[in-house]
Amino acid sequence: ETGVTQSPTHLIKTRGQQVTLRCSSQSGHNTVSWYQQALGQGPQFIFQYYREEENGRGNFPPRFSGLQFPNYSSELNVNALELDDSALYLCASSFDLGLSGNEQFFGPGTRLTVL
Amino acid sequence: KQEVTQIPAALSVPEGENLVLNCSFTDSAIYNLQWFRQDPGKGLTSLLLIQSSQREQTSGRLNASLDKSSGRSTLYIAASQPGDSATYLCAVIDGGTSYGKLTFGQGTILTVHP
Repeated sequence: ETGVTQSPTHLIKTRGQQVTLRCSSQSGHNTVSWYQQALGQGPQFIFQYYREEENGRGNFPPRFSGLQFPNYSSELNVNALELDDSALYLCASSFDLGLSGNEQFFGPGTRLTVL
Repeated sequence: KQEVTQIPAALSVPEGENLVLNCSFTDSAIYNLQWFRQDPGKGLTSLLLIQSSQREQTSGRLNASLDKSSGRSTLYIAASQPGDSATYLCAVIDGGTSYGKLTFGQGTILTVHP
């Protein structure tokens, strides 16, 4: 069974640029959630995708957008990058929204640095 | 709005000690609570998940309890080892929600020294 994978591992961008981060979910999972973790903080929920539809969103502006593909892999896109977007971006894979007894399993993260 | 607090923020113990990490949440109507471990600069590793109808879960040297009515959970680590050094995070999913948003605490940084 393959775990959750993310690419790239690290990324450096400049303010105003756009970035795409990728996540491959664990086999058998149909839900992907994205989180932003600033240094020294707990992760903050960005949004969740379930069966290719956005199913819930946290307090992030519209320049944070995503996609989920038929194989349940996912992309996080961030436009007009700001310095405060520098963080570790984590994706979590689960079955059926990660509710009830369904654990959420996290990938290793993508470290984004905005200069 | 759900808020999750973890105490202490940091803990340093000698190898072999039993220890308790605390997590509290403001809204007791939760779906479940999950404990994670995070090594520096890495992703999160799921340790234990407790559903709202359960009171505790055990895995090896780890035992997590849940008291929904008081809004508290504890993670007990028996016979700590240097390899247990990491940041421990607890997170809850609110009840009545239609999506599995995890709300995290800020974590407890654990150092176990030989």
